[in-house]
Parts: sequence; structure tokens; C-alpha cells
Amino acid sequence: GAGVSQSPSNKVTEKGKDVELRCDPISGHTALYWYRQSLGQGLEFLIYFQGNSAPDKSGLPSDRFSAERTGGSVSTLTIQRTQQEDSAVYLCASSLGGAWYEQYFGPGTRLTVT
Amino acid sequence: EDKVVQSPLSLVVHEGDTVTLNCSYEVTNFRSLLWYKQEKKAPTFLFMLTSSGIEKKSGRLSSILDKKELFSILNITATQTGDSAIYLCAFNTNAGKSTFGDGTTLTVKP
Repeated sequence: GAGVSQSPSNKVTEKGKDVELRCDPISGHTALYWYRQSLGQGLEFLIYFQGNSAPDKSGLPSDRFSAERTGGSVSTLTIQRTQQEDSAVYLCASSLGGAWYEQYFGPGTRLTVT
Repeated sequence: EDKVVQSPLSLVVHEGDTVTLNCSYEVTNFRSLLWYKQEKKAPTFLFMLTSSGIEKKSGRLSSILDKKELFSILNITATQTGDSAIYLCAFNTNAGKSTFGDGTTLTVKP
């Protein structure tokens, strides 16, 4: 079946512009995660959606970052007024939900802020 | 603060060698520990460990968890060049949130 998909695969934007990154999880997966990975670093947790519960936003680095998940499926990560330090690969993952399941990752969006 | 520490940060070996990757963690609400392999962009799942002392095995890879000492190891025997990757360790809390370590970059030379 189809895996997690993300778009765009690459995004180059100018400092100060807003960007939207999209994630389509695996059908039936109730949990959705966003991570950020800078070069040579591990995965930095950003936000976690589980079913209809309020999302865990504890990893969002500033109020310029926000995310939505519509209809329990597709998610959009928005970064407002982008800064050069926002340049990274943004990875989305989904799972069947909860602590007992592994995550399936999308191919990521490479964001470059010039 | 919950955290995961992996060691070594990088490792270079030759084909046929055996390697051991380490992962230690501090977490207030531990539920499971997971290992992933990241070759290009998307990490792929290797193992989930929830109980101490029970080895999980898949081919040349194996892993074990020690919940008393708060660590896990990932072993790879008879390494091949295709094992070259970043190996990520993560734990899940009861709420389902995951925290990842910085990874170990393994390079296997022919």
C-alpha cells in the first residue's frame, strides 16, 4: 500500500517568507508526527497528533511554527517569516497510534532559506 | 528532561566486522524503545523493545534492552557495505510521543 508522502520534496524560500509543508499519512493511521533534522543531527520532535486529542505542541521552537491536521488525515506544517536557521529536512511520520507502534516516515521536505 | 544518548557518534569498520551500538536514556514515562535505520532520508523501523533481557533478532541484527540500567544495544554481525547508515534510537512515552537520539553513523568499508 501507499506509504507516507510529503510535498514538496524540496523548497527554497527567501528569508521572511511563509512556507507550508504537507504530509499525507498512511490511511488508517491515527497518529501523525512532525520532526526536523539538521545536517548531522538526530530528529528533533516538533508536534504530535493523536486521533481527536489536542496535539502535543511541546516541540515547536517558536510561535512562527504551527501545524494543523484536517479530518484526522492530511497535515500541514506552516512556518511564518522564515529564518535561515529554519533550513533543515522536515520529516513527517504516522503510526497506528500510541506507544506500542512504530512510526512510518515520509521522504521529507528539504527546506532551504536564503 | 527526557533524553536519549547514543554512542559512538560515528564508527568505521570493514566488511565482516561485528559492531555494537549503544543507546542510553532518561525518561519519566517510558513505554518502549525503538531502533531505526536511516540510509538517505526516511528512517525505517528495525526493532521495538519493551521488556528487559529479551533479545530481538532479525538476520544479522539483534537488540536487547536493560530497563534497570536504562540502556539498549544494537548488534550487527558480519557487517556488509549495505549496513552503512545512521542508526537512530528512540523511546516512546505512554502518551505515544517519541524522543530520538542523535544517531550513530556507521560506515562499512569493503
